[in-house]
Amino acid sequence: DAGVTQSPTHLIKTRGQHVTLRCSPISGHKSVSWYQQVLGQGPQFIFQYYEKEERGRGNFPDRFSARQFPNYSSELNVNALLLGDSALYLCASRLVGNNEQFFGPGTRLTVL
Amino acid sequence: GDSVTQMEGPVTLSEEAFLTINCTYTATGYPSLFWYVQYPGEGLQLLLKATKADDKGSNKGFEATYRKETTSFHLEKGSVQVSDSAVYFCALSPYNTDKLIFGTGTRLQVFP
Repeated sequence: DAGVTQSPTHLIKTRGQHVTLRCSPISGHKSVSWYQQVLGQGPQFIFQYYEKEERGRGNFPDRFSARQFPNYSSELNVNALLLGDSALYLCASRLVGNNEQFFGPGTRLTVL
Repeated sequence: GDSVTQMEGPVTLSEEAFLTINCTYTATGYPSLFWYVQYPGEGLQLLLKATKADDKGSNKGFEATYRKETTSFHLEKGSVQVSDSAVYFCALSPYNTDKLIFGTGTRLQVFP
C-alpha cells in the first residue's frame, strides 16, 4: 500500500505570495493532520481534520488555513508568506480507532 | 501546557555501544507517548509507542518504558549500528486528541 503522499516536494516562493500544499492519506485513513518543522526543531501541530471538519488547531495565525475533501485528501494554504514560514511541512494520517500517525515525506517551502 | 523535553545532541557513539536518549514530559491526564525517527532527507517514522503507565514499547532493538512516577520515556538500545544514525524525536499525544507534541529532537551519530 502507498504511504502518505505530499506534493510538491519542494517549493520556492517570495514574501507576500500564497502557497497551497497537498496531501493524500493512506487508503482508509480518514484523519489528516498538518505540522510545520522548522530546521533544527521538532514538528509543530498546525491542524487536524476528520470527516472534512477541523477537529484541532495549533497556535498559528489566520494566514494558515486548511480543508479536507470527500476523498479525505487535504490542502494546507498559507497566505501573505513571511520569511519565517520557510520550513518542512508534514502531513500525517491516522486510521480511526488507532492513535498511530503515519507521516508523509513533507514539502520543503522556502520563502525568499 | 503540555510539553516534551529531551536531551540535546548530538549524541556520538561507537558501533555496538549502549544508547540512552532521555525524554521527560509534562501533561495533564494520561497521554500516549511515542518515539519517532527521522533519517536524513526523509520524513518521520514511528519507532515505538506506549499508551499507559508501565507499558514498554519496543521495535528494532529499541525500547522505552512509560514511567508515570518520573514522567519519563527514555529511549534505549543495547548495541547501536551505523545505520541507526538519525534524529530521534520524543512526542506525546494528549488523551483523546490527535495532536502530537514533539521535543526538539536528538541527533545520534554512530561511527564504525
